[in-house]
Amino acid sequence: DGGITQSPKYLFRKEGQNVTLSCEQNLNHDAMYWYRQDPGQGLRLIYYSQIVNDFQKGDIAEGYSVSREKKESFPLTVTSAQKNPTAFYLCASSTLQGNQPQHFGDGTRLSIL
Amino acid sequence: AQRVTQPEKLLSVFKGAPVELKCNYSYSGSPELFWYVQYSRQRLQLLLRHISRESIKGFTADLNKGETSFHLKKPFAQEEDSAMYYCALFGGSSNTGKLIFGQGTTLQVKP
Repeated sequence: DGGITQSPKYLFRKEGQNVTLSCEQNLNHDAMYWYRQDPGQGLRLIYYSQIVNDFQKGDIAEGYSVSREKKESFPLTVTSAQKNPTAFYLCASSTLQGNQPQHFGDGTRLSIL
Repeated sequence: AQRVTQPEKLLSVFKGAPVELKCNYSYSGSPELFWYVQYSRQRLQLLLRHISRESIKGFTADLNKGETSFHLKKPFAQEEDSAMYYCALFGGSSNTGKLIFGQGTTLQVKP
């Protein structure tokens, strides 16, 4: 069954701690994305990657880091530098053709302890 | 600057009433626009795209370049239409899939 898998569904972070959110896709998509979803603010792009070992900052990259060592995987690390990490995080993937839709995962809800 | 604006955070209608979710965009080129929907406890999914000119679940959206709008319409709302709706603009070069999303509108259809 093709799709995007995000884990965990819920994650709690202590002060000063880094946490990593997992995103895996088996759609053979080249591009992958991380968004942050906050009430009233829509989806804001954190990072995106078009090819393995390459990624670009989105609109709100500060306090986050990513890696793209494999085509199928695009983990997001929320570092201690991110002062307001409580949010719903969505991962997506797409082909590189400009007008193709993005496919989304179920999301990870991150909260601060 | 590329931007998508959904002016209404919440739209509440009664079942059977017409629905129009507004979306305005700012883009200097030829836009590619999408509507995504997120039902309760489900993942965000594509509803329709302007290039297809199709009707999905009774919804349609017409691109109006003069008014820079891509409003989503349905003549008779159903309770199962209650969801969060996002308008999105393809805002990258031809070899990326980067989208710019609006703030989202929650549609509440009352019985």
